[in-house]
Amino acid sequence: GQQVMQIPQYQHVQEGEDFTTYCNSSTTLSNIQWYKQRPGGHPVFLIQLVKSGEVKKQKRLTFQFGEAKKNSSLHITATQTTDVGTYFCAGDRGTSYGKLTFGQGTILTVHP
Amino acid sequence: DGGITQSPKYLFRKEGQNVTLSCEQNLNHDAMYWYRQDPGQGLRLIYYSQIVNDFQKGDIAEGYSVSREKKESFPLTVTSAQKNPTAFYLCASSIGGQGSSYNEQFFGPGTRLTVL
Repeated sequence: GQQVMQIPQYQHVQEGEDFTTYCNSSTTLSNIQWYKQRPGGHPVFLIQLVKSGEVKKQKRLTFQFGEAKKNSSLHITATQTTDVGTYFCAGDRGTSYGKLTFGQGTILTVHP
Repeated sequence: DGGITQSPKYLFRKEGQNVTLSCEQNLNHDAMYWYRQDPGQGLRLIYYSQIVNDFQKGDIAEGYSVSREKKESFPLTVTSAQKNPTAFYLCASSIGGQGSSYNEQFFGPGTRLTVL
């Protein structure tokens, strides 16, 4: 079956440092989504990427979708303590009504 | 106030008992999903439903059952056949429809189930 691998599993940074998490799918995706889960909370949708090579920005967050539509990355510039949480990518193959396969997530800790 | 509700937030059960987790949404979404989350792992799909009276097994359906009698409701039963039921259970919904441009999933607050 489809697999989505995400690295690293953990990332500890000092406030102000940059952070990147990478996602790789074993199959070509229709689209990829990113979610953030705060400690003790539930996942919240951040963004969806659909086009090959697409780059989207949300303030300090930059999302990329690979040319082959099999990999993606999330980059945070100058992290803040409010960025702490787990970041998940989720791949959609486009075959089953919005069925997503989630990566294992990257747990981000930001030290003030 | 639109959203997804799950109840209860914490649930304790004895081993061998079936337990049903509630999930209700008032977003008028067609698609609903159940996930299980364990420490250090991503979200694993248990069951999903695209429309009322229809549902499909996800990646880890063994030991679970669902029903979708109403558009707003998608309860999950954790049966005694589930070998390791202690986990955090998340329900989600999306607008639905294959090819939909808007299939982001909205999650409920989750139910933390502990089987003693």
